[in-house]
Amino acid sequence: EAQVTQNPRYLITVTGKKLTVTCSQNMNHEYMSWYRQDPGLGLRQIYYSMNVEVTDKGDVPEGYKVSRKEKRNFPLILESPSPNQTSLYFCASSLASSGRYGYTFGSGTRLTVV
Amino acid sequence: DQQVKQNSPSLSVQEGRISILNCDYTNSMFDYFLWYKKYPAEGPTFLISISSIKDKNEDGRFTVFLNKSAKHLSLHIVPSQPGDSAVYFCAASGSIDAGKSTFGDGTTLTVKP
Repeated sequence: EAQVTQNPRYLITVTGKKLTVTCSQNMNHEYMSWYRQDPGLGLRQIYYSMNVEVTDKGDVPEGYKVSRKEKRNFPLILESPSPNQTSLYFCASSLASSGRYGYTFGSGTRLTVV
Repeated sequence: DQQVKQNSPSLSVQEGRISILNCDYTNSMFDYFLWYKKYPAEGPTFLISISSIKDKNEDGRFTVFLNKSAKHLSLHIVPSQPGDSAVYFCAASGSIDAGKSTFGDGTTLTVKP
């Protein structure tokens, strides 16, 4: 089944403890992206990647890191999480241009930082 | 500065009638406009898109209209069904920065039986 898989689905952590949310797609898509969703703020793009080793900042990149060493994987790294990063996170991938083809989203990771 | 705006947080419609969801944008460099649908506890699902060179795109019960001069697009669902009840997000993307896709805040559609 074609899908975007992100893990874990739920995560509670403490302030300052580094964490990684994994994302993998099996559709051989070129583009991948991370979004966060907060109440009343819609989906805001954190980072995106157009290909292996090519990444760029979205609208809210502060406090996050990403890497794209392989085409299928695009992990999201929080080096020192803070409570304001408590949110619902979505990973997504697209065949090519996200406007022309649309993003396929994962099921989400709900992160709570205490 | 919010570049994509959905001014109606919610919309309620009777089953069988038309649902019209609206979206405004400010960036004239956007080349593609998309609609996504999101059910609770799931990720958004791509629904339909339109290129900036067109003014209408249709897919079954879903039609998207684009008015470039007004920087406005709308999604029409006809006829509306209870299963259409979800949050609908409008999104916009350019050709140059093709990985960047900006979303609106979403409109919650409720279709009553």
